[in-house]
Amino acid sequence: DAKTTQPPSMDCAEGRAANLPCNHSTISGNEYVYWYRQIHSQGPQYIIHGLKNNETNEMASLIITEDRKSSTLILPHATLRDTAVYYCIVRPLGDKVIFGPGTSLSVIP
Amino acid sequence: DARVTQTPRHKVTEMGQEVTMRCQPILGHNTVFWYRQTMMQGLELLAYFRNRAPLDDSGMPKDRFSAEMPDATLATLKIQPSEPRDSAVYFCASGLVLSAGSQQPQHFGDGTRLSIL
Repeated sequence: DAKTTQPPSMDCAEGRAANLPCNHSTISGNEYVYWYRQIHSQGPQYIIHGLKNNETNEMASLIITEDRKSSTLILPHATLRDTAVYYCIVRPLGDKVIFGPGTSLSVIP
Repeated sequence: DARVTQTPRHKVTEMGQEVTMRCQPILGHNTVFWYRQTMMQGLELLAYFRNRAPLDDSGMPKDRFSAEMPDATLATLKIQPSEPRDSAVYFCASGLVLSAGSQQPQHFGDGTRLSIL
């Protein structure tokens, strides 16, 4: 399995964009980049995933570098409800999700 | 929105007792996962099933834990006998994987908070 590296914690001002980085330098050609988040005392929530193209949905945007060795999750206008632990995971399509420690994002009023 | 349903939400029991946790996956999903979360270990994958068949249970202590899918709408995780170190939040997740290589991402339930005294 490809390993990911994320900063343990980040702060973001409410209303600003939150940019969460993830390094996955050993990613294989068939592995996708997935992002989940876990709000306190809830189950993890799927956010977005992609292979090599940038992706956008109603929650966030995912920017993957051309060499696929890193990616950035962008929450365009962070709110207090976006305070959570964000997990970046790389895995083949359909394979089990293995979680690392993630990034604890604090959105500050 | 369709949801993964887990019961009970909370369970407190004494060590040595049998504990059964239940999960109702999203209708139509063919893959079910069991995770355990503690402060020390984070989220750990215990086992997962596809089309009700176990694919991987290497993360599960075999002597006391067992996972089954009696039917497509029910997954169970049992601990017998339970020990204080089993105290954790247990999450179930379901997803859809198709042979053509497409899939829908995993969706998680809100977990069972287990305390073994």
